[in-house]
Amino acid sequence: RKEVEQDPGPFNVPEGATVAFNCTYSNSASQSFFWYRQDCRKEPKLLMSVYSSGNEDGRFTAQLNRASQYISLLIRDSKLSDSATYLCVVYFGNEKLTFGTGTRLTIIP
Amino acid sequence: ETGVTQTPRHLVMGMTNKKSLKCEQHLGHNAMYWYKQSAKKPLELMFVYNFKEQTENNSVPSRFSPECPNSSHLFLHLHTLQPEDSALYLCASSQGAGGSNEQFFGPGTRLTVL
Repeated sequence: RKEVEQDPGPFNVPEGATVAFNCTYSNSASQSFFWYRQDCRKEPKLLMSVYSSGNEDGRFTAQLNRASQYISLLIRDSKLSDSATYLCVVYFGNEKLTFGTGTRLTIIP
Repeated sequence: ETGVTQTPRHLVMGMTNKKSLKCEQHLGHNAMYWYKQSAKKPLELMFVYNFKEQTENNSVPSRFSPECPNSSHLFLHLHTLQPEDSALYLCASSQGAGGSNEQFFGPGTRLTVL
């Protein structure tokens, strides 16, 4: 089983729709969780951290389910500029972040 | 502008060449990283430096040799590479090397080994 697993997509979603991604992780002792965003031919950038109580940043909501070992990202009222690859990132310890392969999202006008 | 710069942005080299990738961070961070990103694969951590000391070598072949002369600069020396080493090499930095610290990435060097 992969340490961090994501559906690679692509997800093709009409503008204005709501879209959600899940990511599963294998290590129950994982400490920190993040969503990074990577635009085509660009570097990854932190989108948001994921807290145990769930957190929201504008149109974006992240949630953590420790019992089932997954995190989720919900995007509401999607914009064309949301088109990107979304990377699930988990910190297991030892100064090392583990990245998923990413979920590719395309917002269609 | 992320505050992390990398040069060159593109590099084509033969298997017998020696080249170096350079990374510089202007954020005052203490930790720096090298990652490899290949198509359809997750980012692979190669090396971690914390306060100029290497703290992680993720089973990287010896044909990749990192160097960290100070906390702002990081190099990756390349020697006798293989075609399968062709990938995007990303440098990142963070305030500390712990997982709660946001990592800031440079734009990457697109490497092609012929």
